[in-house]
Amino acid sequence: DQQVKQNSPSLSVQEGRISILNCDYTNSMFDYFLWYKKYPAEGPTFLISISSIKDKNEDGRFTVFLNKSAKHLSLHIVPSQPGDSAVYFCAARGGGSQGNLIFGKGTKLSVKP
Amino acid sequence: DSGVTQTPKHLITATGQRVTLRCSPRSGDLSVYWYQQSLDQGLQFLIQYYNGEERAKGNILERFSAQQFPDLHSELNLSSLELGDSALYFCASSVDFGIRETQYFGPGTRLLVL
Repeated sequence: DQQVKQNSPSLSVQEGRISILNCDYTNSMFDYFLWYKKYPAEGPTFLISISSIKDKNEDGRFTVFLNKSAKHLSLHIVPSQPGDSAVYFCAARGGGSQGNLIFGKGTKLSVKP
Repeated sequence: DSGVTQTPKHLITATGQRVTLRCSPRSGDLSVYWYQQSLDQGLQFLIQYYNGEERAKGNILERFSAQQFPDLHSELNLSSLELGDSALYFCASSVDFGIRETQYFGPGTRLLVL
């Protein structure tokens, strides 16, 4: 049973536009959420995180929004750049998972020039 | 470069064999995590060590085992290998094991079982 779901396997956007990547979770005990970016032949790289006590966290072009009542979070990238093309993983912690991360299957973002 | 190193980068072996994957955490990190990424799957947590002691276990098969040595490097041992064990194996490290600790991932070891 997947506790973290990324329902869109892929997303294509034009350079300069907004990219919105979505993630849903089922375990209401999760209290910390993270986004990782992964390029081919590399390990995942930490991008941004949000605690369950917040509903928004911003870092430069990246903003993560958390809607606890809907058990939904999203990552906004504005403006999108070709170098943002990668696989983005949503991950969650807490709820009995201790320190380890529960990952979604990822969304492949392609930003076209 | 995350500072986490993994060797080897690629490994090709046959069914029934045993392999050892090695991970060196970032300098100063005491916690090491192992994850498996199979085809079309997200990363699945296998096991966590903190300062030499096993701290948490995930979906790790009994054929798999791990340890963390006094110098804090870790090894993941996979035995009686099956075709389905072909996957990317990632190691991650963090300073501590708290929920808000950022995990830094190595480049992974790609295992192919033929």
